[in-house]
Amino acid sequence: GENVEQHPSTLSVQEGDSAVIKCTYSDSASNYFPWYKQELGKRPQLIIDIRSNVGEKKDQRIAVTLNKTAKHFSLHITETQPEDSAVYFCAVPTGTYKYIFGTGTRLKVLA
Amino acid sequence: GAGVSQSPSNKVTEKGKDVELRCDPISGHTALYWYRQRLGQGLEFLIYFQGNSAPDKSGLPSDRFSAERTGESVSTLTIQRTQQEDSAVYLCAPRRAGANVLTFGAGSRLTVL
Repeated sequence: GENVEQHPSTLSVQEGDSAVIKCTYSDSASNYFPWYKQELGKRPQLIIDIRSNVGEKKDQRIAVTLNKTAKHFSLHITETQPEDSAVYFCAVPTGTYKYIFGTGTRLKVLA
Repeated sequence: GAGVSQSPSNKVTEKGKDVELRCDPISGHTALYWYRQRLGQGLEFLIYFQGNSAPDKSGLPSDRFSAERTGESVSTLTIQRTQQEDSAVYLCAPRRAGANVLTFGAGSRLTVL
């Protein structure tokens, strides 16, 4: 079945620095790659996604890059702020649209 | 998020009791997913409904767990003879026809004493 690995599991950065989280997957049929942010006690919310026909997508301070050959995609957050502190999950739908989530990255932005 | 409600928001039950959790999406969501999230853990896939096709039940952890959905309407997740390890937040995530995005409900927090 689909295997999704996410690294690192925890990440601490100084406010203003950048953060990068990476996910690798195994199903070559996957063609959609979202990232979710989950604040403490709240539901996961989509923050950015990318389709397999593009290599990078940006939305203000966040970006996602995709390397389909190597089967990995990354979330980039620039100029981090305390409100970016949360748990981030990647997700990968299999060829049958079963969405498998990564194990999560707990990001802490230090003021 | 907008478009899906889950109930109850909180449920405390005694070990051995049955519980039923409900997910009610607005119309147009042909697909619907259930996930389990234990405290401090990730999103564990349970089951996935797609229209009138047979559901993908590959994530259900035991035969105590079952779920139903008729068409594009309400879905219920039933846990029989609850155990303490069933304590978690159960999240429902519908997906619109032709779209990729999963939008999560607020979840049902289950505590088994």
